Amino acid sequence: NAGVTQTPKFQVLKTGQSMTLQCAQDMNHEYMSWYRQDPGMGLRLIHYSVGAGITDQGEVPNGYNVSRSTTEDFPLRLLSAAPSQTSVYFCASSYYDRGQETQYFGPGTRLLVL
Amino acid sequence: EDQVTQSPEALRLQEGESSSLNCSYTVSGLRGLFWYRQDPGKGPEFLFTLYSAGEEKEKERLKATLTKKESFLHITAPKPEDSATYLCAVQERNRDDKIIFGKGTRLHILP
Repeated sequence: NAGVTQTPKFQVLKTGQSMTLQCAQDMNHEYMSWYRQDPGMGLRLIHYSVGAGITDQGEVPNGYNVSRSTTEDFPLRLLSAAPSQTSVYFCASSYYDRGQETQYFGPGTRLLVL
Repeated sequence: EDQVTQSPEALRLQEGESSSLNCSYTVSGLRGLFWYRQDPGKGPEFLFTLYSAGEEKEKERLKATLTKKESFLHITAPKPEDSATYLCAVQERNRDDKIIFGKGTRLHILP
């Protein structure tokens, strides 16, 4: 299993540009989520999905869209990039087994918005 | 108001010097508390999930414990390879499964 994969690893955008951060998992997990990590702050939840066709907002959803057409993929779209969206973005997937949840993170996408 | 607070922010230990990291939380009902390890430039790596006060889990030199207000990550006789940032997160009951992270403790083990 490849686990959780993210592309690209690094991206530079200009203010106002749009782009999609890709996330895929091959573990058949129903629950997937997107976080951003900024210096001096904890991981903050952007959007999450409890299964294909179902998404919901997290703590900091403004400026981002998500969709979940398949169990495997959960792309994050930046509609019009702003310097405040400069961050490291992590995708995660998780499963429940015998009452225990385990969450796996991808390697991250580093985004710089100029 | 932070719901998950980790202390200390940073900790330097000599190799073999045992210590504990603290994670205190203020959610109304805890569904689960998670510990992760994060190395520079990488995603968090899952360590433990704790669900009820009194629960303990161990993995190599790490042991996580849980009370009604806080969790401790005990590191016994650490080695330089244990150097990392350790993240704590909580999942609140009846809050749509959202997981809230603390800011982490940066641990540096000196050889």
